[in-house]
Formats: sequence, structure tokens, C-alpha cells
Amino acid sequence: DSGVTQTPKHLITATGQRVTLRCSPRSGDLSVYWYQQSLDQGLQFLIQYYNGEERAKGNILERFSAQQFPDLHSELNLSSLELGDSALYFCASSVFSSPDLENTIYFGEGSWLTVV
Amino acid sequence: QQQVKQSPQSLIVQKGGISIINCAYENTAFDYFPWYQQFPGKGPALLIAIRPDVSEKKEGRFTISFNKSAKQFSLHIMDSQPGDSATYFCAATMYNNNDMRFGAGTRLTVKP
Repeated sequence: DSGVTQTPKHLITATGQRVTLRCSPRSGDLSVYWYQQSLDQGLQFLIQYYNGEERAKGNILERFSAQQFPDLHSELNLSSLELGDSALYFCASSVFSSPDLENTIYFGEGSWLTVV
Repeated sequence: QQQVKQSPQSLIVQKGGISIINCAYENTAFDYFPWYQQFPGKGPALLIAIRPDVSEKKEGRFTISFNKSAKQFSLHIMDSQPGDSATYFCAATMYNNNDMRFGAGTRLTVKP
């Protein structure tokens, strides 16, 4: 168990809908990262927050947004969902801001999103 | 867009054998190269990582070999065990640019 908690574990929703994925980082971790894993695109970095502030942005669509709250939990909001958004969404956390030998990123078990 | 290319896509090894997975990168600014292990239904877990100032790092049965001039790095699993059967991802990133790039993954099967 990595200590990173994600909810829900599975979610099925219709095209055009909006969903929110929730992440609780490991105790003491200030950084939260969101990744998308799909068969065709592999594992892709979406966005990172550090201590409440956006720190880095990757291949995140404009229909997606995220935030990190004062208690350090984070939410990923996916709107106007399309079939192609079906994927496994991972949250990860680390103590410091940049992945490094002294700053391991720990992944949660993911939230499976199926858009029908 | 900087990519990390990983091969092979799948690998079958006999118990006790050596598993070798290779990765190549493009961006010479990358300075952190981790390997992740992922079991079905679980998130990736850090296995071992290296910085480009060393050519090899060993932790137990797992070794990273790093060739800076060739922009390649590889994971060697010695004495492979059935419990090592998982998908392995290489990755690369640079300090303060947290868009870590992952390889496509290698599905390793270790036969008893």
C-alpha cells in the first residue's frame, strides 16, 4: 500500500457528463501529480500541484481541471466527457516538488473511468 | 515532444534467467531516470532510479545500466522469479520540469 488513496475506484458515465476524481496524498507529502494511463497513449503526465499551487502542466485537455485544497487532497475534474477519455487515472504524491532520487513519487491504485 | 522509447514490448524469461529491458531517450537535459514496476490492478511503484553521473546502479537483483553518450539505459533483473512478472516502465525527467516521460512499458512473464 503506497499510502495514496484514490476514489472512486471505478466509474462509468455517459458522454457529455462531468466527473470528479479524488486523491488523498501520503501523510506529509506536499506534491500531488495526476497521470492518465490508456492503451494507446500509455502513461501520461497531466498536472502537478505543490502545496496548493499549480507547479507543472503536461498533456491535460482544456476540458480537464484540477485543484489542491488546503488539507492537500486533490481533485481532478473531467467535463464534457468523450469516449476517448476512458482510461485509468492515477494520482501520485511526493514530499518535495521535483521527482528525484531523494523525492520518490508514490502512485495510488487509480480510478478506472469508462465513458459510454 | 521528447519521448522515451522502450523495448521489448513483451518478454518471456525462464525462472532464474536474466531479464533485460532497454530504453532510449532524446532529451539530453533529462537528469533522472526511474524504473517503475506495475502489477495488474495496482499503480506503478518505483523499483530503482539513477542519475546520469553514474553508469550503473544495483539494488539487490535489479541493476540499471546507463550509457550517457548513447542516450540509453537498461534494466537488468538477475535470477528472475515468477513474482517479478509485471509490467515495467522506464521514465525520464529533468529537475524542476516535472513532466516525467514514460516508456510504453514491457510486460515481463517469468515462467517457473
